[in-house]
Amino acid sequence: GAVVSQHPSRVICKSGTSVKIECRSLDFQATTMFWYRQFPKKSLMLMATSNEGSKATYEQGVEKDKFLINHASLTLSTLTVTSAHPEDSSFYICSARAGNYGYTFGSGTRLTVV
Amino acid sequence: KNEVEQSPQNLTAQEGEFITINCSYSVGISALHWLQQHPGGGIVSLFMLSSGKKKHGRLIATINIQEKHSSLHITASHPRDSAVYICALNRGYGNKLVFGAGTILRVKS
Repeated sequence: GAVVSQHPSRVICKSGTSVKIECRSLDFQATTMFWYRQFPKKSLMLMATSNEGSKATYEQGVEKDKFLINHASLTLSTLTVTSAHPEDSSFYICSARAGNYGYTFGSGTRLTVV
Repeated sequence: KNEVEQSPQNLTAQEGEFITINCSYSVGISALHWLQQHPGGGIVSLFMLSSGKKKHGRLIATINIQEKHSSLHITASHPRDSAVYICALNRGYGNKLVFGAGTILRVKS
């Protein structure tokens, strides 16, 4: 089946620093990657849709200069949280459409900003 | 009104029980997905449905397009089935998913 590998699974960073999260499609080409954020006990909230070779489409209310998305190849999309603050602490997860497999999800990244 | 509603919100069952989780929606869809999220956060796609019924092991998913309703059944439930089960709608190829609020399932031994 289609697999998306997401790293890191957990990260703790200091306020003001930047953190990069990677999602790689291991056995298929992901032309579109979705990035989600999840607050405790809440459902997934779509942050942005990234398309290989073009600019990401951000959902309303999501700061594109704070959450930088790069999708430079068909197998790699990255989300960089810039100048992180404690309120950015959350669970971030990516997903890609994998043909007939439907949507496949990364394992998620738990970000803690101290 | 939310486009997708799940019930129940919380469900506690004894090991071995038959479990049903329901999902109703109010918009046209190209497919409906059932997802499983474990306590660690990882999400697994269980089923993608556009019609009829699918079965995988102890899991069965059905969809009635006319009634805009889908159910996820778990037979012979086990504590390892404890997770959050999420119904998600795909309104067209490549479109973003619309998520239900999830059903928290706890299976006690």
